[in-house]
Amino acid sequence: AQRVTQPEKLLSVFKGAPVELKCNYSYSGSPELFWYVQYSRQRLQLLLRHISRESIKGFTADLNKGETSFHLKKPFAQEEDSAMYYCALLNQAGTALIFGKGTTLSVSS
Amino acid sequence: EAGVAQSPRYKIIEKRQSVAFWCNPISGHATLYWYQQILGQGPKLLIQFQNNGVVDDSQLPKDRFSAERLKGVDSTLKIQPAKLEDSAVYLCASSLVPGGAKEGELFFGEGSRLTVL
Repeated sequence: AQRVTQPEKLLSVFKGAPVELKCNYSYSGSPELFWYVQYSRQRLQLLLRHISRESIKGFTADLNKGETSFHLKKPFAQEEDSAMYYCALLNQAGTALIFGKGTTLSVSS
Repeated sequence: EAGVAQSPRYKIIEKRQSVAFWCNPISGHATLYWYQQILGQGPKLLIQFQNNGVVDDSQLPKDRFSAERLKGVDSTLKIQPAKLEDSAVYLCASSLVPGGAKEGELFFGEGSRLTVL
């Protein structure tokens, strides 16, 4: 079965603290994973993709096949990082994305 | 570049009534998706079009939901008759190429929020 699990509904941290948003997946074969973000009153948009191994806005995510995880990390949270974060998995057919339930990140000063 | 346009933004109807949502994807985007997002959950794919053909509608409740993309551009999603559990945000997304999803390059609209009373 193809599935994405984000165990935390809400993560609250202080500005400057490290952040880790958890994502676990279930998939047969080599998964392709993404993080999407939705800021307040904005559209859902791509944040980063695992295949690019990129850092966007200070966020990184590493695919761990052994733990079937793709956690999103940032060493020092900023208030503007407050948003809804969704982990997404490319479906087996390679045509569409399967989303997790999302985690709300709240960064306060 | 204009983004994905959706209308209406908000709709309130009584159960058993019908409703239609419209989506205009980014110009030139061949692939169009409709996702349903129920409060507290992530977006769930309802149907995917490639030009004017259906690629995947396996999760579309076909007894009450229908969608079309007649000219391979705009799309409409219809619900008839609506149930209470259809209350959700309906998101339209598009991608440039058939494999756009592989790059994660899905561009989303603002969504249409449906409330069924």
